[in-house]
Amino acid sequence: DAKTTQPTSMDCAEGRAANLPCNHSTISGNEYVYWYRQIHSQGPQYIIHGLKNNETNEMASLIITEDRKSSTLILPHATLRDTAVYYCIVNFNKFYFGSGTKLNVKP
Amino acid sequence: EAGVVQSPRYKIIEKKQPVAFWCNPISGHNTLYWYLQNLGQGPELLIRYENEEAVDDSQLPKDRFSAERLKGVDSTLKIQPAELGDSAVYLCASSRGGTGYQETQYFGPGTRLLVL
Repeated sequence: DAKTTQPTSMDCAEGRAANLPCNHSTISGNEYVYWYRQIHSQGPQYIIHGLKNNETNEMASLIITEDRKSSTLILPHATLRDTAVYYCIVNFNKFYFGSGTKLNVKP
Repeated sequence: EAGVVQSPRYKIIEKKQPVAFWCNPISGHNTLYWYLQNLGQGPELLIRYENEEAVDDSQLPKDRFSAERLKGVDSTLKIQPAELGDSAVYLCASSRGGTGYQETQYFGPGTRLLVL
């Protein structure tokens, strides 16, 4: 029932920006885009969410295309501690996590 | 603000034995969720509570799984009897509730169950 498509894995050099894409072409007008991450052996951690406008907080930036069919999570300066599985979630009243993107930050 | 608390963190039992997991949500959060996470997969919702009421338990295997949230605060998820295939991580999450639609959920660390 996942309504998003994400790459299985990505690599990023430490200190560089990590750009994680998500496709959600069937998104409805009232559905938010949520991003969570899960570091090994921990529970999922909330990162950011948005509806239409781009959003930024202390952890990341969320860029949503004008047609809302895709989005990109940006970690501006990735560190080794950002190595995790990142989940993009789109749904009105139930979270479907899918398999996410395994981000590997390398020294 | 304290996060979602779960216990135990780890549990090893033999098959056919019962097991219970406990969750205390963030103070003031009315909505509570239990998720199951198998190795290499994302979490899957088992049940969602709005206060004391289970409003979505469609994915809960009711032949062996049960849950309760008495007084609308902490919650217990039980498996009886456990099977080998129940080995997984059981996650609890909470959100403020009351809106009836998508809200930011905050997760606990999970309970890792191993059934031998």
